Order: sequence, then structure tokens, then C-alpha cells
Amino acid sequence: NAGVTQTPKFRILKIGQSMTLQCTQDMNHNYMYWYRQDPGMGLKLIYYSVGAGITDKGEVPNGYNVSRSTTEDFPLRLELAAPSQTSVYFCASRRQGWDHEQYFGPGTRLTVT
Amino acid sequence: QQQVKQSPQSLIVQKGGISIINCAYENTAFDYFPWYQQFPGKGPALLIAIRPDVSEKKEGRFTISFNKSAKQFSLHIMDSQPGDSATYFCAARGQTGANNLFFGTGTRLTVIP
Repeated sequence: NAGVTQTPKFRILKIGQSMTLQCTQDMNHNYMYWYRQDPGMGLKLIYYSVGAGITDKGEVPNGYNVSRSTTEDFPLRLELAAPSQTSVYFCASRRQGWDHEQYFGPGTRLTVT
Repeated sequence: QQQVKQSPQSLIVQKGGISIINCAYENTAFDYFPWYQQFPGKGPALLIAIRPDVSEKKEGRFTISFNKSAKQFSLHIMDSQPGDSATYFCAARGQTGANNLFFGTGTRLTVIP
């Protein structure tokens, strides 16, 4: 199993550009999450999904959109990128039920200038 | 509003010493308290976790102490090694959404040889 994979690893965007961060998991997990990590701030939840076709907002959803058309994929869309979206983005997944461990991808480092 | 408060922000320990990281929370509905370890350039990975009906959990050199009445929990790393140098995040699981995790702000641990 590859686990949770994210692409790209790094990206530089200009203000106002858009992009999609890709996340794929091969563990057949129902639950998937997108976080952003900023220095000294820990991880903040952007969006989450409990299954294909079902998504909901987390703590910091403004400026982002998600979709979940399959169990495996959970892309994060940034529209009209702003410098405040400069961050490291992590995707995670976990199995439904008592197995609580969230498995994280390697992250995407995004810079908006 | 930070739902889980973590301290210290950074910690330097001599090899063989004890590393202690503390966390506190307010929401009594939290029902699961994991610690994640993150190495530079990697995603967080589950280290150890505890439920609130247990006061202590030990796995090898890592121990969680949990004080339900004080709403505090801590990670103790015994016989700290240079390989333990990483950032550590405490977290607490809520009962809404996809049982979302709320993370502390992280502690950067450096173990000096």
C-alpha cells in the first residue's frame, strides 16, 4: 500500500491564480481530511469527508473547495490564491469505526506571492 | 480559539534525559487524546494515544499521563535519544463531524547527543 499520496510536493502560485491539490489513499478509508499547517499554529482542519459525495467544512474553510467523487480521491481546490494561503497542506484518512488513527500524506508546500 | 493548548513551544534535552510536553483542554466532550510525531518534511504520524477512562498509558519509552479532573495530559519521553528530535503534537477528538481532531500548536524537541 502506498498509503496517502499528495501531489504536488511544492508549488509557487501568483496572487489570484487557482490550483488543485491532489490527495489519494489506497486503504479504502471512508473518512478523509484536509489540514493546513502554519508555524506555531499546529494543524487546522479545512474540510473533511465521511464518504464519497459527502463533504463538510472544518475550522478554516474560507478560500477553499473540495469534492469527493470516489472513495480514493479528495482534491482541494484553491480559487483566487492569496498570500494568507501560503502554508503546508496535509491530507489524511482514517477508517470508519473505532480505529481512530489518521494516516497523513507527506504534504504540499504552497507559496503564494 | 485554540481548543487544545500545548507547552512548551520548544524543548532541548540531553541524551538520556526525560522530555515532558504538556497539553490542556476545556471541552469535556473530547473522548480520545492522541500524540503525533512529525519529522521535518514529513506528515505527522501517530505515536501513542489514550482514552479518558485511563490515567496512564505506556509504550516503550513513551508514556501519556492523563488527569481528567484537571483536563490535562502530558507526554513523557524517557531516555530521550537524538532520533526523538522532532515536532510533537497533542490532539483531542471531538464527537461531531467525522470525529475531527483538534491539534495543539506543537513542541519542537531537540535531543542533544
